[in-house]
Amino acid sequence: ETGVTQTPRHLVMGMTNKKSLKCEQHLGHNAMYWYKQSAKKPLELMFVYNFKEQTENNSVPSRFSPECPNSSHLFLHLHTLQPEDSALYLCASSQDPTPGLFFGSGTQLSVL
Amino acid sequence: KQEVTQIPAALSVPEGENLVLNCSFTDSAIYNLQWFRQDPGKGLTSLLLIQSSQREQTSGRLNASLDKSSGRSTLYIAASQPGDSATYLCAVRPDFGNEKLTFGTGTRLTIIP
Repeated sequence: ETGVTQTPRHLVMGMTNKKSLKCEQHLGHNAMYWYKQSAKKPLELMFVYNFKEQTENNSVPSRFSPECPNSSHLFLHLHTLQPEDSALYLCASSQDPTPGLFFGSGTQLSVL
Repeated sequence: KQEVTQIPAALSVPEGENLVLNCSFTDSAIYNLQWFRQDPGKGLTSLLLIQSSQREQTSGRLNASLDKSSGRSTLYIAASQPGDSATYLCAVRPDFGNEKLTFGTGTRLTIIP
């Protein structure tokens, strides 16, 4: 596999469920990101990990919990989400400080 | 706070025409600007990246220009094809060593066969 891989591609969950999104990058990069893309809004940066350390938490509610066990894997743990959290969640990676961001295909999340 | 605007939100043109997509940003202190393409329900694919010291970048039928002082960038697509139909997003990077991009809302382009 090459590039940035995200699973699952689609996820439907109830507000009381707990689920996790997974991202894996095969590019040897040292930084990974979670972005949220809602309809008709710009991509919003949620979290940044650099060398497995979280360097950015962009005022994201605690119902979103990131985990970065190593520089190739990134998770986003979800619990007690709200319907307004329905969006496309995109993972990206980069080789900081070299410019250039590489995205996965995203997980389309629907919260019922 | 940096804001990035892309107008129009949607554009339809006949196949074969040349077209220009616009991107403007409020804070000219940027490190670089990147154009991406996004197909429906998919992630973003990088098209062109222009450093703040550059005026333009070219890749095949695509040409991106940057006027940092006026806070503007354009993406020129020559001889458009139906496969060019997608949403095009621009994003600016604030400084070196910081990949926290600020994105525009995109222009949804439809090429009519």
